[in-house]
Amino acid sequence: EPEVTQTPSHQVTQMGQEVILRCVPISNHLYFYWYRQILGQKVEFLVSFYNNEISEKSEIFDDQFSVERPDGSNFTLKIRSTKLEDSAMYFCARKLTGANTEAFFGQGTRLTVV
Amino acid sequence: KNEVEQSPQNLTAQEGEFITINCSYSVGISALHWLQQHPGGGIVSLFMLSSGKKKHGRLIATINIQEKHSSLHITASHPRDSAVYICAALNSGNTPLVFGKGTRLSVIA
Repeated sequence: EPEVTQTPSHQVTQMGQEVILRCVPISNHLYFYWYRQILGQKVEFLVSFYNNEISEKSEIFDDQFSVERPDGSNFTLKIRSTKLEDSAMYFCARKLTGANTEAFFGQGTRLTVV
Repeated sequence: KNEVEQSPQNLTAQEGEFITINCSYSVGISALHWLQQHPGGGIVSLFMLSSGKKKHGRLIATINIQEKHSSLHITASHPRDSAVYICAALNSGNTPLVFGKGTRLSVIA
């Protein structure tokens, strides 16, 4: 199964700066997810995206976060004003359908806020 | 709220040993994923199952829906199997996954 490509693989940013994480999924996959893993902790759900709109989001996904699919291909996660506690691995995942289909993950973007 | 618990948290094995990692969840689910996280952080899907058993090479995953329990077995373990193994529960088709904390496996030659 083809991978989900995430860019960049690692980003270091100053606190308060905006970052955009990108995910390039397979074009015929309709369900996209962002997950986050703080170092040493379990993977946590951030947001799911279907049909060009958010279908579900967690309490972590506050007003500092936004997602979009600006060109019908790339799926982006934007953090408007980064905080130290945003430092984590961010994973994009895709599913072909919303039914019980397998989720495929990108290799992750390691975000370090300094 | 679905809680996903894994055991053990850490596991060290000698090469060739048979390994079992367990996963329990607290509410009914529609499917369960077993994932492998490499030392570099990337996540690879190993299995998705909703009943019975699946086998892929030296990996076997089983699930008992009534007991809310799943196991991942690795036969003839090898140092390259060293990774974090994560189970993640799917409550219904289009809901996000709920992850366990992972089991860190080290296989020593």
